Amino acid sequence: AQSVTQLDSQVPVFEEAPVELRCNYSSSVSVYLFWYVQYPNQGLQLLLKYLSGSTLVESINGFEAEFNKSQTSFHLRKPSVHISDTAEYFCAVSRYRAGGTSYGKLTFGQGTILTVHP
Amino acid sequence: DTGVSQNPRHKITKRGQNVTFRCDPISEHNRLYWYRQTLGQGPEFLTYFQNEAQLEKSRLLSDRFSAERPKGSFSTLEIQRTEQGDSAMYLCASSQGQVSQPQHFGDGTRLSIL
Repeated sequence: AQSVTQLDSQVPVFEEAPVELRCNYSSSVSVYLFWYVQYPNQGLQLLLKYLSGSTLVESINGFEAEFNKSQTSFHLRKPSVHISDTAEYFCAVSRYRAGGTSYGKLTFGQGTILTVHP
Repeated sequence: DTGVSQNPRHKITKRGQNVTFRCDPISEHNRLYWYRQTLGQGPEFLTYFQNEAQLEKSRLLSDRFSAERPKGSFSTLEIQRTEQGDSAMYLCASSQGQVSQPQHFGDGTRLSIL
C-alpha cells in the first residue's frame, strides 16, 4: 500500500513571498504523482502531475514541483504567491502497472492550507 | 467539456434514512471514481468503475453503501440506514483511464446527518 504525508497542515505567507508545500510518499511500487488544489465548497482541480521524464514539472499559473525519487518527495513551490493562491492543496499518488495503465485510485495526503496575506 | 456534475450539492437527512447521490462524468471518460472527504482530511477512495464494471471497492465501503453505473455513463452512490459518521463530502471523479489522463473532480455532494 502507498501513503502520502504532507508535512505542514497550514502555511501562512505574505503576498509576493516564495512558498514551498512539502509532500513525501511511501510506496513499494512505482507511482504517478499529482498536486490538486481545492477552493472552499468546490471539488479538486489538477494543478500539475509527474508521470515520467523530467523531474521538474510546471503549472500554467507559476507553480512547480520536483520529483525526488531518492527522498520520495514531490514538494510544490511558487517563487511569488498571490492572494488568489489562498486554498487547500493536496498531494496524491497513484500506482501504475508495468504497462503504464493506472491502477486507478488516488491516495491523498491530509492537505495543506495555504493562506496568503496582503 | 461540461465537467463532472454531481447532484444534489447538499443533502440533509435524519439518521436512519437512505440517501442516493448521482454523478454524471465527462462524456468520453470510461472510468468513474467515488471518494469521501471529511473535514480537515484529504479525500479517501471508496470505489471505481471502468465502464459499467465495478473494479475495486475500499474497505471503507461498508455493506450499507452501494454504487452502480448501469450503462457505463452516470453513477449513483446509495447509503442505507445513514449514521452520524456518514456526514462528509462525497466526491466523484472521472478519467479516460489512460496513462497520462488525470482524474477530473465534480464539486461534490455534502451530506449532513441530523
